[in-house]
Amino acid sequence: DIVLTQSPGTLSLSPGERATLSCRASQSVTSAYLAWYQQKPGQAPRLLIYGASSRATGIPDRFSGSGSGTDFTLTISRLEPEDFAVYYCQHYDNSPSWTFGQGTKVEIK
Amino acid sequence: EVQLVESGGGLVQPGGSLRLSCTASGYTFGPYWMHWVRQVPGKGLMWVSHINGDGRTIVYADSVKGRFTISRDNAKSTLYLQMNSLRTEDTAVYYCARDRGYPDSFDIWGQGTMVTVSS
Repeated sequence: DIVLTQSPGTLSLSPGERATLSCRASQSVTSAYLAWYQQKPGQAPRLLIYGASSRATGIPDRFSGSGSGTDFTLTISRLEPEDFAVYYCQHYDNSPSWTFGQGTKVEIK
Repeated sequence: EVQLVESGGGLVQPGGSLRLSCTASGYTFGPYWMHWVRQVPGKGLMWVSHINGDGRTIVYADSVKGRFTISRDNAKSTLYLQMNSLRTEDTAVYYCARDRGYPDSFDIWGQGTMVTVSS
């Protein structure tokens, strides 16, 4: 089974700064099946990025995704106050099964 | 507005059963694959089960296989999760989620329903 490892566990940044979140897969995966979500306290997750780099509907362009093979990155170009949250990467494989990373918390410094 | 609303959560004793429901609105329910995802409070997300549009393809995570049953009623735009032989480790918020359709990711989520398994 594929394991997704996210780093760092917690990212402490100030509004306006750039956030770079990593998601590493235990083996090479198909980029088309890599997604990112944002979750705020008490809320359901929200899809941000699918296909490794395509923004979901309504997602601001300060969010971008990149990567291939085993290494993927979610970048928030300039943090807004509402961006402080937990972020998860997720992968689909055609077993089928769906796997999440353990999450990265972006907190206000 | 596209929406998913879960219901049916609550407190149940170990070994007990519970049925969750998820009612969809604002879109045509039938063609879309659907999922259940759970989250222990304060922890990460775990995919639980999937069902395709006509209900003929069903998949479960190993940890719930043989105990949970996913189903759907397209005429009622409703997804179900029958949970039997519940364990304390099944305690979590359960979300229903719509597959984006390709399939790869979950584009619409319900608000979640809490299931607590405790004596």
